[in-house]
Amino acid sequence: QSVLTQPPSVSGAPGRRITISCTGSTSNIGAGYDVHWYQQLPGTAPKLLIYANTNRPSGVPDRFSGSKSGTSASLAITGLQAEDEADYYCQSYDSSLSGSVFGGGTKLTVL
Amino acid sequence: QVHLVQSGAEVKKPGSSVKVSCKASGGTFRTYAITWVRQAPGQGLEWMGGIIPMFGTPNYAQKFQGRVTITADESTSTAYMELSSLGSDDTAVYYCARDNSGDPKQTYFFDYWGQGTLVTVSS
Repeated sequence: QSVLTQPPSVSGAPGRRITISCTGSTSNIGAGYDVHWYQQLPGTAPKLLIYANTNRPSGVPDRFSGSKSGTSASLAITGLQAEDEADYYCQSYDSSLSGSVFGGGTKLTVL
Repeated sequence: QVHLVQSGAEVKKPGSSVKVSCKASGGTFRTYAITWVRQAPGQGLEWMGGIIPMFGTPNYAQKFQGRVTITADESTSTAYMELSSLGSDDTAVYYCARDNSGDPKQTYFFDYWGQGTLVTVSS
């Protein structure tokens, strides 16, 4: 059971928009700690996709965006492409655990 | 540009220990945090702990307290993660990553990752 809750899977047709939710609690996201998102393609290391809730590292397309409100955060992907098919993880800091926590991951399928 | 290169795959017996290395290049090793994350087969990411070489004091996930030791050698820009009392559920890919936190007691985001080291625990 992960501290941050994500849907196990989402899917969408090419060109469409999807969102992935990440629900935490008052000891992590709700406490004001930033949320970060990672993309993991099969057989590869995770890649930073969004940091500090809404920021994209250099090289990440603006089709990817993040938001945060209350005890939750969301990742949105617009203009879905086949290459977006991957696992996506949210991550934050938890003050009760005094460490980093991840969501369980969401598998994105592009139909 | 930071580049992290990890040591190769390991096969260990139950009850033994494993030590994985992570050699960094680019940036200033002593000032940035190195964190360790593992991923069991078909499972999600799990944070284990981290260290900022300049401060030297590691920060461990509660789950691994007493079983994990994270160290850093500034002279070789290499971080190490040693996990003891291995069981079959420790079979996983272990990643090191740079943590953008400047606070030794708080993690932030992980922007550069090593390639991963597969540790297999089997009798």
